[in-house]
Amino acid sequence: QVQLMQSGAELKKPGASVRVSCKTSGYSFTTHGISWVRQAPGQGLEWVGLINVYSGNTNYAQRLQGRVTMTRDTSTSTVYMDLRSLRSDDTAIYYCARSDWLDFWGQGTLVTVSS
Amino acid sequence: DIQMTQSPSTLSASVGDRVTITCRASQSFSSWLAWFQQKPGKAPKLLIYKASSLERGVPSRFSGSGSGTEFTLTISSLQPDDFATYYCQQYKSFPYSFGQGTKLEIK
Repeated sequence: QVQLMQSGAELKKPGASVRVSCKTSGYSFTTHGISWVRQAPGQGLEWVGLINVYSGNTNYAQRLQGRVTMTRDTSTSTVYMDLRSLRSDDTAIYYCARSDWLDFWGQGTLVTVSS
Repeated sequence: DIQMTQSPSTLSASVGDRVTITCRASQSFSSWLAWFQQKPGKAPKLLIYKASSLERGVPSRFSGSGSGTEFTLTISSLQPDDFATYYCQQYKSFPYSFGQGTKLEIK
């Protein structure tokens, strides 16, 4: 069965960086892209970006451009999202999800940015 | 960029009711729209993709329709498990985007 397993919760100070991982299993890794979506406390869903895991090509939300990087490791079927220069409004649950239409989701990773 | 506007923001209904949630796009496109259900503390769940295709395992009381700039999610007969928040998402062009959500409450 398809599974996406994310890394654990993170507490970071403003200005720091965070890496969230998403390990996939149960399907052929290079056949589907991986999207990232975040949800601030009590708020709606925000699309963060997508990586084509076959080519490595990425597309990011404009408001995060320059601070976010998505990469993949095909040997471990894992995707990574790095977010730099963290601000308090980056506090959110970060989800990875398979494909453009988000058919399978990870469990979410809470990233808290606080001094 | 394509902006997605959902209505209503909140919907109060009773078990057995038929309800419809609408998602309007700022630009016209066909098909590349998904609907999700989210319950508190849980990841969203895909219900509908390609505007009208029912995801495997999703009850048939859920249906999607539309193209152009207006898309709808219909629940034909509300069940207690359906009270949740619903989101639409366009994946026609980057940056992909979500509607702001519709909270479906028990009347």
